[in-house]
Amino acid sequence: QKEVEQDPGPLSVPEGAIVSLNCTYSNSAFQYFMWYRQYSRKGPELLMYTYSSGNKEDGRFTAQVDKSSKYISLFIRDSQPSDSATYLCAMKNFNKFYFGSGTKLNVKP
Amino acid sequence: SQTIHQWPATLVQPVGSPLSLECTVEGTSNPNLYWYRQAAGRGLQLLFYSVGIGQISSEVPQNLSASRPQDRQFILSSKKLLLSDSGFYLCAWLRLANTGELFFGEGSRLTVL
Repeated sequence: QKEVEQDPGPLSVPEGAIVSLNCTYSNSAFQYFMWYRQYSRKGPELLMYTYSSGNKEDGRFTAQVDKSSKYISLFIRDSQPSDSATYLCAMKNFNKFYFGSGTKLNVKP
Repeated sequence: SQTIHQWPATLVQPVGSPLSLECTVEGTSNPNLYWYRQAAGRGLQLLFYSVGIGQISSEVPQNLSASRPQDRQFILSSKKLLLSDSGFYLCAWLRLANTGELFFGEGSRLTVL
């Protein structure tokens, strides 16, 4: 079983839609939960990180962590064509980070 | 400001040739540094991480090695490349130890022929 599971998509939505991206994990020791955006042939860009359970909002992005279910989500409101990218979830335990395989998102104008 | 640099950005190497990828971080001291590899359409595989000069932890046994000769320099090397070494190599640094703020460089795309 992988440490972090993420649906690869692709996910295609119309501009303005609300996007929901999700990951599940198996290691209850994870304490930090991150979301990255990666454009083609570029390094991943940190969007948000959350410590432990709860919600965190930053502009059009909301991250949710449910440690009891080992489930994290990223919501994107009013999605834009510029949001088209691969989104990676990541989790941290001590000095190590574990990544999902990424969900490819396409926002159609 | 804090930045991370990786080079070269792209390289094509024959099987059996050596490899050296370099990563440097500016604007910080004693960062945790990481090397990841990303195969096409796949997630990030942790190869090495370092918590200080000369301190290297290897996550995946293979023909790659890493070194940290200076506080803000992290080098990924190989003596003889294999076809399976092709991929997108990413260096990253952890801004603060007790956070999730891991920042990546722009990556080095390696093709082994």
